[in-house]
Amino acid sequence: GENVGLHLPTLSVQEGDNSIINCAYSNSASDYFIWYKQESGKGPQFIIDIRSNMDKRQGQRVTVLLNKTVKHLSLQIAATQPGDSAVYFCAENSAGTYKYIFGTGTRLKVLA
Amino acid sequence: NAGVMQNPRHLVRRRGQEARLRCSPMKGHSHVYWYRQLPEEGLKFMVYLQKENIIDESGMPKERFSAEFPKEGPSILRIQQVVRGDSAAYFCASSPRWDNSQETQYFGPGTRLLVL
Repeated sequence: GENVGLHLPTLSVQEGDNSIINCAYSNSASDYFIWYKQESGKGPQFIIDIRSNMDKRQGQRVTVLLNKTVKHLSLQIAATQPGDSAVYFCAENSAGTYKYIFGTGTRLKVLA
Repeated sequence: NAGVMQNPRHLVRRRGQEARLRCSPMKGHSHVYWYRQLPEEGLKFMVYLQKENIIDESGMPKERFSAEFPKEGPSILRIQQVVRGDSAAYFCASSPRWDNSQETQYFGPGTRLLVL
């Protein structure tokens, strides 16, 4: 069904530490995943994406890991900064469809 | 290189009035998606449009809601006879095309609708 869920609704992290945000997806046919960052009062901002033929992809300070066996996706943020405070959403899509299914989001709070 | 633009950013309506939300996609993008977001929740798909065509409106309530994307001008999401339950943030996203390459969607800043 349409159910992309996140394990933790709120994650508090000390500034400078690494953050890991998790996402479980239910559609085994999904083969394209995106992480979005949404700051208060703003629209979702693309962070990084990954296709199902990969299990890891790195960007600037961010890494996305995909485990298709357990249908799990994670976003790792290195050296978390106050500007990383936001709600993070994962979204899934399957080839041949145009609809993206979004999870409920995880709020990341960076503690000074 | 302007991104996706939405207006108004905030809209206040009384019950029974009409709300019109506008979305101008990124330059070169011909596909528009509308989503609805309630506080502390994720985005729910409403409708997907190409120029002059509604491709999928399965996420949009059958009554009071309509959407269009004319050949010229922005995409419009229209809510007639608004009720308090329509209060939410409405986001528009655009992509250059959709095919099996799975183009990323880019979001606008949203319109926050408040129904009194």
